[in-house]
Amino acid sequence: IAGITQAPTSQILAAGRRMTLRCTQDMRHNAMYWYRQDLGLGLRLIHYSNTAGTTGKGEVPDGYSVSRANTDDFPLTLASAVPSQTSVYFCASRKSGIRAGELFFGEGSRLTVL
Amino acid sequence: AQSVTQLDSQVPVFEEAPVELRCNYSSSVSVYLFWYVQYPNQGLQLLLKYLSGSTLVKGINGFEAEFNKSQTSFHLRKPSVHISDTAEYFCAVSPIIQGAQKLVFGQGTRLTINP
Repeated sequence: IAGITQAPTSQILAAGRRMTLRCTQDMRHNAMYWYRQDLGLGLRLIHYSNTAGTTGKGEVPDGYSVSRANTDDFPLTLASAVPSQTSVYFCASRKSGIRAGELFFGEGSRLTVL
Repeated sequence: AQSVTQLDSQVPVFEEAPVELRCNYSSSVSVYLFWYVQYPNQGLQLLLKYLSGSTLVKGINGFEAEFNKSQTSFHLRKPSVHISDTAEYFCAVSPIIQGAQKLVFGQGTRLTINP
């Protein structure tokens, strides 16, 4: 089934550890995004990529990094996790060239930093 | 910059009753407007979007929303809800000039349907 796959679905992590959340899409969408979802705050954009080889900062980029080596993969790395990064992380993609095109979301990765 | 305010964090209604979920936005430029729905333990799905033209937009599952430019609102409505509509609903905006590249989401409204 075409769509976005995120891994892991859930992870408990000690503070200070490095963690990479994986995101893969098979829809050949150019644009990809990482959001974090926190109660009462909705979804906030962390990083985005309009096309392979380019990335940009969103609203809350500090403590996170991304790479876009190819069209399909968009991993999110926490270099040294802190408790405030406890959240549910959603990867999304969108087909470029469509006016206000729909975002397609993965099912999320729940991360707990202790 | 843009901001979105969803005026109700939780809305409980009885099955088959009408519902309105309120959304107001702030922006110095023209925006596209969206409603997304998140069912339990899932990602978000697009319900409907307003780009231009008629201010009343119809979406999936019987939902509709009305854009009111003077009040900077984009309220979501359904005349008769079902248990399956239980979910969290997010209003979002994106500047037209950015072509919806980056959405700004509201805080979400949790809709609970009681039998």
